[in-house]
Amino acid sequence: KNEVEQSPQNLTAQEGEFITINCSYSVGISALHWLQQHPGGGIVSLFMLSSGKKKHGRLIATINIQEKHSSLHITASHPRDSAVYICAVRGGSNYKLTFGKGTLLTVNP
Amino acid sequence: DGGITQSPKYLFRKEGQNVTLSCEQNLNHDAMYWYRQDPGQGLRLIYYSQIVNDFQKGDIAEGYSVSREKKESFPLTVTSAQKNPTAFYLCASSIDRDTYAFFGQGTRLTVV
Repeated sequence: KNEVEQSPQNLTAQEGEFITINCSYSVGISALHWLQQHPGGGIVSLFMLSSGKKKHGRLIATINIQEKHSSLHITASHPRDSAVYICAVRGGSNYKLTFGKGTLLTVNP
Repeated sequence: DGGITQSPKYLFRKEGQNVTLSCEQNLNHDAMYWYRQDPGQGLRLIYYSQIVNDFQKGDIAEGYSVSREKKESFPLTVTSAQKNPTAFYLCASSIDRDTYAFFGQGTRLTVV
């Protein structure tokens, strides 16, 4: 079974700072997802990647398959970025995702 | 607008009662999922369905049941056999396993 570890668990930043959230997993995967969960509980999919790097607005996700590691970066952070960021991985050809416990990001104005 | 809708947002039930959580999507997605979220833990898969009239157990299916009679609907029943039913339940859908999942807003179930 894949183990997914995220770091840090909690992160507090000042508006404008560059943010990095890390995700490591133990077994080879076919895809990795980054998700965002706001205080109300709803979840939004941010990225799905299996190699390289993806960018959407101020968000950048990278993955290193050999090192079994992914990072989510937020440039010019803003208070509205405050949320829980969740990493999830899928191994093989099945439908199951294994989720990390999430990183709580708080961006202060 | 296309999306996935869970209802109700908050649900209270007495211990020993079965309760059904609703999940509807109008995204024309084949795959649907139910997850459970507990404080300090990652989401855990309860059941998933790849296509109408088919569903598979996830990692924590005991005490739960589902049906998939229509493509757009995937209701979850929390039975009295579920030992710790109080949790936040999230429904999701995707075109298939290789695409983004869209999530509902969740149902917070409290059993007293």
